Amino acid sequence: DAGVTQSPTHLIKTRGQQVTLRCSPISGHKSVSWYQQVLGQGPQFIFQYYEKEERGRGNFPDRFSARQFPNYSSELNVNALLLGDSALYLCASTLLQGSRNTEAFFGQGTRLTVV
Amino acid sequence: GNSVTQMEGPVTLSEEAFLTINCTYTATGYPSLFWYVQYPGEGLQLLLKATKADDKGSNKGFEATYRKETTSFHLEKGSVQVSDSAVYFCALRPTQGGSEKLVFGKGTKLTVNP
Repeated sequence: DAGVTQSPTHLIKTRGQQVTLRCSPISGHKSVSWYQQVLGQGPQFIFQYYEKEERGRGNFPDRFSARQFPNYSSELNVNALLLGDSALYLCASTLLQGSRNTEAFFGQGTRLTVV
Repeated sequence: GNSVTQMEGPVTLSEEAFLTINCTYTATGYPSLFWYVQYPGEGLQLLLKATKADDKGSNKGFEATYRKETTSFHLEKGSVQVSDSAVYFCALRPTQGGSEKLVFGKGTKLTVNP
């Protein structure tokens, strides 16, 4: 079975541009979360979606938005890119919602560089 | 609020040495606790977890015990290998908030030399 897949793996954008990152969860998983990992730091929670509804939002500006599709895949959009948005963006999927034993499976990430 | 504090790295050990990476947390209620590992150029992999006080998580020779009295979840391994070289992240999932949000520490880079 395929794991969590993210695309693209790398991309370079210019300040002020917009970017869309994509994530496909493990088959059967209905929950997708997004994290930002700046170099040398731990991942920071951005959003979580379950059954196409937003279930959590981290402390990120409104330039960041996301959505989940009927097939449970997800997109993360970032508008008006800043240099500080350069990071590894990780997607995680979980089978259940609200279970203490739920394990989050992470994708390989998308490395975004803003120049 | 919820937070995780890990020992500062990097940590450099010789093969077969004993490993301890300290992790303490701040949270309301009874969070679930996790250790994730990140190999160069890859995403995160779950190493082990514990969901209630005094639980011991273990995997691939690594162990960590959920200590509520000291709010700690230290990672240990009795004999490290070169292949254990990676960045290790301690994380918690809060019991409140209704989401699958994970709160991570800053990570500890481990290098094991032959």
